[in-house]
Amino acid sequence: DAGVIQSPRHEVTEMGQEVTLRCKPISGHDYLFWYRQTMMRGLELLIYFNNNVPIDDSGMPEDRFSAKMPNASFSTLKIQPSEPRDSAVYFCASSLPGQAKNIQYFGAGTRLSVL
Amino acid sequence: GQQVMQIPQYQHVQEGEDFTTYCNSSTTLSNIQWYKQRPGGHPVFLIQLVKSGEVKKQKRLTFQFGEAKKNSSLHITATQTTDVGTYFCAGFKVSNYQLIWGAGTKLIIKP
Repeated sequence: DAGVIQSPRHEVTEMGQEVTLRCKPISGHDYLFWYRQTMMRGLELLIYFNNNVPIDDSGMPEDRFSAKMPNASFSTLKIQPSEPRDSAVYFCASSLPGQAKNIQYFGAGTRLSVL
Repeated sequence: GQQVMQIPQYQHVQEGEDFTTYCNSSTTLSNIQWYKQRPGGHPVFLIQLVKSGEVKKQKRLTFQFGEAKKNSSLHITATQTTDVGTYFCAGFKVSNYQLIWGAGTKLIIKP
């Protein structure tokens, strides 16, 4: 399996622009997680889905952030409008069903810079 | 709210010295997981501990889960340059299906 695939790997944008981050989970995984990592705040869970349904979005910082999972093989995290403080590495992770379901497999991340 | 405290934040060691990181939870955990993140990389799952008092070894790495299932430790014997990175613990509670992440301990090998 190719693992969790995220795109783009790097994104540089200007303040006020819309940013869309993409994630393809590992086939057969039914949980999908979006994280943000910064030096100041560490690894923060933003939102997670189970079977394409958002379960907990309490970590989404504000209304500028939205996430969707239209099918089992694709998810997006959108920031509109973006701000410099959104600069971070955004990780997507997925996990298996069953007994191993709480082990998370991370993608390589998207490094976002908002100028 | 539920927290997992991890210390130290950084540890500088000479190559060949030992390294230990500790995690403490404010509540009892269903299990605890450990991940490693290399510089510029992403967290990679190392191991999961489920049973009270459990000890597991992976070569030079020893993982322990406390009797009360509230604390855990990772010990690396005779560190090597390949061990460099940040080690995270993450506590899992079935009740809310979330991993609660520690802040990580960054292992730095002194030149």
